[in-house]
Amino acid sequence: DAGITQSPRYKITETGRQVTLMCHQTWSHSYMFWYRQDLGHGLRLIYYSAAADITDKGEVPDGYVVSRSKTENFPLTLESATRSQTSVYFCASKETGGQPQHFGDGTRLSIL
Amino acid sequence: KQEVTQIPAALSVPEGENLVLNCSFTDSAIYNLQWFRQDPGKGLTSLLLIQSSQREQTSGRLNASLDKSSGRSTLYIAASQPGDSATYLCAVLTQGGSEKLVFGKGTKLTVNP
Repeated sequence: DAGITQSPRYKITETGRQVTLMCHQTWSHSYMFWYRQDLGHGLRLIYYSAAADITDKGEVPDGYVVSRSKTENFPLTLESATRSQTSVYFCASKETGGQPQHFGDGTRLSIL
Repeated sequence: KQEVTQIPAALSVPEGENLVLNCSFTDSAIYNLQWFRQDPGKGLTSLLLIQSSQREQTSGRLNASLDKSSGRSTLYIAASQPGDSATYLCAVLTQGGSEKLVFGKGTKLTVNP
């Protein structure tokens, strides 16, 4: 089915481990985004990408790495996970111009 | 820096009531404003998008208005149903070449049967 898919849906890991969250979209949208959602903070942008091989920082990029070698994929890597990165992570995509953003179902990440 | 505020944080109404959710933003130089719905444990579902040149958008029982000069948007839900229970988020895209949405913290709506 067309849409945006995140994997895994749930992940538990330990501090210091590297973890990668996957995001795949089938619309061929130019833009892709990673957000984290935390109680009291709402949704905050981590990184975004305007096209393959073009990425830029959002509001809270520290501790995260992204890549976009293909238009449809936008993985988010926590190089050395910390407890403060426990959160729900959402991927989104949109076409250029005044088009709406569309979100995946999220990955709930717990770091022990 | 754009800031988006949603009041109230939570709202509980009986079924059948018409209701209004509010969203305000500090920088009126917006490109568009988007309303989302989020169910518990789920992602965000786009409900309505209003371009800066528009005054309102309608989809079924939902109507969103935009007053850019005063920095306000409202989401009107007619004849509310228990299935409307969810958190409603508004987000603005500010002019300036960036595609970054700024979100409010949402209004949690409960519609009681």
